[in-house]
Amino acid sequence: DTGVSQDPRHKITKRGQNVTFRCDPISEHNRLYWYRQTLGQGPEFLTYFQNEAQLEKSRLLSDRFSAERPKGSFSTLEIQRTEQGDSAMYLCASSSRDNQPQHFGDGTRLSIL
Amino acid sequence: AQTVTQSQPEMSVQEAETVTLSCTYDTSESDYYLFWYKQPPSRQMILVIRQEAYKQQNATENRFSVNFQKAAKSFSLKISDSQLGDAAMYFCASSTQGGSEKLVFGKGTKLTVNP
Repeated sequence: DTGVSQDPRHKITKRGQNVTFRCDPISEHNRLYWYRQTLGQGPEFLTYFQNEAQLEKSRLLSDRFSAERPKGSFSTLEIQRTEQGDSAMYLCASSSRDNQPQHFGDGTRLSIL
Repeated sequence: AQTVTQSQPEMSVQEAETVTLSCTYDTSESDYYLFWYKQPPSRQMILVIRQEAYKQQNATENRFSVNFQKAAKSFSLKISDSQLGDAAMYFCASSTQGGSEKLVFGKGTKLTVNP
């Protein structure tokens, strides 16, 4: 059990650029979650995968955001045409099945110049 | 919809003393879970303790225990014998049993432990 891994740890980009983050869940965890955490706030749910199927998306996930989990293992979160308000910590979590707690990664901190 | 409220933005405690962090929640669901997560500075979110709503007995994990008052929708965390390593942001969260079981978090309480 190597834990949930996220890459990169930090991303600095100019407004309007596209960025992509990767999350590798704990192996054999079929549930994967993305959350966004802004300064001074608790994490907010963005989207949820069970295996490769994206089963729930928050209204926070605008059309500029897209997430995939093509083979039911790692996941990517892409933000197109980044805006200042996208600056946040993006957290990934995974769990093994129903009723099991979520394990979090270290997060990717996005800064928009 | 679920909501979680943490009314204490910051708390402090002396090393070896006891501190209680408050949390209230609201949900229309009958089956749900409540959690306390710890987030040290620049480190990952770690589960501290979990409570199933259908269980009347309060959960305990070593020095950490909860006071779950279902009727009052209150879920406080007690940390006994506080240690320097307990200093962190503490988030209260809830999730509904079944479905995505996504977590809904409060805004957090920053705990400082004074030597």
